[in-house]
Amino acid sequence: DTGVSQDPRHKITKRGQNVTFRCDPISEHNRLYWYRQTLGQGPEFLTYFQNEAQLEKSRLLSDRFSAERPKGSFSTLEIQRTEQGDSAMYLCASSSTSGGSRETQYFGPGTRLLVL
Amino acid sequence: GENVEQHPSTLSVQEGDSAVIKCTYSDSASNYFPWYKQELGKGPQLIIDIRSNVGEKKDQRIAVTLNKTAKHFSLHITETQPEDSAVYFCAASIRNNFNKFYFGSGTKLNVKP
Repeated sequence: DTGVSQDPRHKITKRGQNVTFRCDPISEHNRLYWYRQTLGQGPEFLTYFQNEAQLEKSRLLSDRFSAERPKGSFSTLEIQRTEQGDSAMYLCASSSTSGGSRETQYFGPGTRLLVL
Repeated sequence: GENVEQHPSTLSVQEGDSAVIKCTYSDSASNYFPWYKQELGKGPQLIIDIRSNVGEKKDQRIAVTLNKTAKHFSLHITETQPEDSAVYFCAASIRNNFNKFYFGSGTKLNVKP
């Protein structure tokens, strides 16, 4: 399978704990995006990387959130001191700046987070 | 920023009938409009997209139309099948930025056999 993969698929944690999610984009895709999706809503943009550079962050990304893409391949999203309001599906997507479908973002299966 | 509105929120059709989902956007600079299908517990899957230099695009039973003047675009599914049942999301973005999609709130389509 050469699609976008995310790990873990599900995470249950207690309020105040830190969690980290991983995303592996499609091979050779240089752009990587994180979105958050709450129940009954469309995904909301959080941040995006081109190679290892984080080029934009949404105001939804509070200082408890940090994302990295150290070698321009996989990315991690960490949430510190989790709150119940962080419960959501965290989606990763990737795209390529070359080729005919540069705009197309391919999504992974998501990580569903539940904060108790 | 961009605001995308999607209607209806739920749609129930009989197998074989057509389904239409409509979206409007606010930013006239938006020029790329993908549609995604999301099944329960899965990530969104691209089903069709359209760029602003095209008014209509078709792929088998799925078609998308775009009216730039009115700033709205629609998804048309013909000859619906039970496996079309899912949540459908429209999105808008600015191609030159390539950086983020603005999604609608989704339409839950139920195709009754």
